[in-house]
Amino acid sequence: AQSVTQLGSHVSVSEGALVLLRCNYSSSVPPYLFWYVQYPNQGLQLLLKYTSAATLVKGINGFEAEFKKSETSFHLTKPSAHMSDAAEYFCAVSRIYGNNRLAFGKGNQVVVIP
Amino acid sequence: ETGVTQSPTHLIKTRGQQVTLRCSSQSGHNTVSWYQQALGQGPQFIFQYYREEENGRGNFPPRFSGLQFPNYSSELNVNALELDDSALYLCASSFSEGSYNEQFFGPGTRLTVL
Repeated sequence: AQSVTQLGSHVSVSEGALVLLRCNYSSSVPPYLFWYVQYPNQGLQLLLKYTSAATLVKGINGFEAEFKKSETSFHLTKPSAHMSDAAEYFCAVSRIYGNNRLAFGKGNQVVVIP
Repeated sequence: ETGVTQSPTHLIKTRGQQVTLRCSSQSGHNTVSWYQQALGQGPQFIFQYYREEENGRGNFPPRFSGLQFPNYSSELNVNALELDDSALYLCASSFSEGSYNEQFFGPGTRLTVL
């Protein structure tokens, strides 16, 4: 079975400060890893994905994440937070082959303080 | 290109009733997955349909059932509704050929069970 762990349900960050959201995964097979963003009353939008190519992945809106197999981590960062980054962020894992079902973490609610 | 659409947007049901939620896949996609997102939680995989056949199921009871139609649209049916079924139901479509199948999410249907 695959799973991800996201610690700290609410994350507060000052505008202009570093955004760091942590994600650790558990998988018995090589994983694909994803970060999704969800704005209020909306569905999920893909921020970025790791699909066994480059370990440092760049996504939309200035976000990036680094796959570290030794640490089973896929942390999300953004150098400078904007007010528009206030949203809920989910890390997810799936298998490379077969059913591409996603297993999500519980999410991080990001609050940006002006 | 039309994205994933879901209907209705919101609905309210009472305990014991039955409900049908609908999803139209993105053009060219042949796979639909359904997820349940309870308040404050990450989405949980319900099941997936590929070419009109169930292709994997999460830890949900049989009163959660689905269909996929020849045009790859899909329905999620829930019988004997319980209060805990109140959630946002997300549909995601993908094209399942090859090793990587990105899922594209619809805006969701908010179900409230009273």
